[in-house]
Amino acid sequence: EIVMTQSPVTLSVSPGQRVTLSCRASQSVSSNLAWYQQKPGQAPRLLIYNAYTRATGIPARFSGSGSGTEFTLTINSLQSEDFAVYYCQQYSSWQTFGQGTKLEIK
Amino acid sequence: EVQLVQSGAEMRKPGESLKISCKGSGYSFTNFWIAWVRQVPGEDVECMGIIYPGDSDTRYSPSFQGQVTISADRSTSTAYLQWSSLKASDTAVYYCARPALYGTFYAAFDSWGQGTLVTVSS
Repeated sequence: EIVMTQSPVTLSVSPGQRVTLSCRASQSVSSNLAWYQQKPGQAPRLLIYNAYTRATGIPARFSGSGSGTEFTLTINSLQSEDFAVYYCQQYSSWQTFGQGTKLEIK
Repeated sequence: EVQLVQSGAEMRKPGESLKISCKGSGYSFTNFWIAWVRQVPGEDVECMGIIYPGDSDTRYSPSFQGQVTISADRSTSTAYLQWSSLKASDTAVYYCARPALYGTFYAAFDSWGQGTLVTVSS
């Protein structure tokens, strides 16, 4: 099974800042990597797929990069609605998720 | 508009059985895989298994093989997740989710149900 490891576990930032979240795969997943945002009481929402392609309706301040085993999600100019938990997911071999990064207001 | 609508919250005792559902609409139900995803509060998100309603081809994560049964009814565009004997450790929110691409499960999940909370307690 491919293990996905996200860092940091929690990130405290102020609105308006830029943040970078990391995701590492235990073996190469090529570009078969997605990012999701989850708010309390809601299902995950797809933000990025194929490592860097924004899903429909996702603002341009969200961007993804990386391939192989190292990936990043960058959020420019954080808005209040961006404070949530973010998960990465690989779909190269079965489907496995990272443990999540919680983005909280500083 | 693609929609996945799940059945409501359930409470059961250990050892009891349960079947929860996920009804798809707004797309060709038989041509997209449907996954069941478990989320225990504060713990990892796990894909339990996935079914292709077109021919009922079903795959399970090794962690869940033999623990649950996934099925689908093409006539009602509904997928199911069932347990024959629940444990307290099955307490979680269960989501159904659809991969974004036609005919493959090697894709991101672009549509999700609203989640079903299953509580197992004596």
